[in-house]
Amino acid sequence: QVQLVQSGAEVKKPGASVKVSCKASGYTFTGYYMHWVRQAPGQGLEWMGWINPNSGGTNYAQKFQGRVTMTRDTSISTAYMELSRLRSDDTAVYYCAREPALGVANYGMDVWGQGTTVTVSS
Amino acid sequence: QSVLTQPPSASGTPGQRVTISCSGSSSNIGSNTVNWYQQLPGTAPKLLIYSNNQRPSGVPDRFSGSKSGTSASLAISGLQSEDEADYYCAAWDDSLNGSWVFGGGTKLTVL
Repeated sequence: QVQLVQSGAEVKKPGASVKVSCKASGYTFTGYYMHWVRQAPGQGLEWMGWINPNSGGTNYAQKFQGRVTMTRDTSISTAYMELSRLRSDDTAVYYCAREPALGVANYGMDVWGQGTTVTVSS
Repeated sequence: QSVLTQPPSASGTPGQRVTISCSGSSSNIGSNTVNWYQQLPGTAPKLLIYSNNQRPSGVPDRFSGSKSGTSASLAISGLQSEDEADYYCAAWDDSLNGSWVFGGGTKLTVL
């Protein structure tokens, strides 16, 4: 079945970096954009950016420009999101979610990973 | 402060029809289609409606979406206890380099 399985919880100190992985299965990895969305405790959803697994092209939210890097390894159908210079307000659950790469049409983020909790604390 | 504005809460009794609003601007809802996501407690979001009013396979037809101008709405008819969840609207925003923006979420309580 189609699923996205993310790496486990992380605890980091302020100023460090974290790299979260998202392994896809059950579908053609390169046929879907991969988005990263985070949710701080008790808060709403915040889009961080996407990567096109086919080309490696990325589009980052302005808020995260210079701090986030999204990559992929097509040989193992896995996407990665690395966030650097962590602060306490980066404490959140980080989700990956796929979207069909079908031009400008909007088909939504139709499959989500289970989430990865990242805690930033000294 | 979310770019899209939703009421923080909504409620209804079983069997009722409830609607949740989502207000934006010309750069997002006014020029792009809207998606809705349902998030049950402790779980990842789930796509409920895409492209204003389309339901993914498996989503009951009790859920419907609409859009007019710079606002959108999610309607849930025949409310059930399992509908108690947080609901988020989302739209692409054309400003700056472009980005997906979400509403702040609406917590739906089934009384």
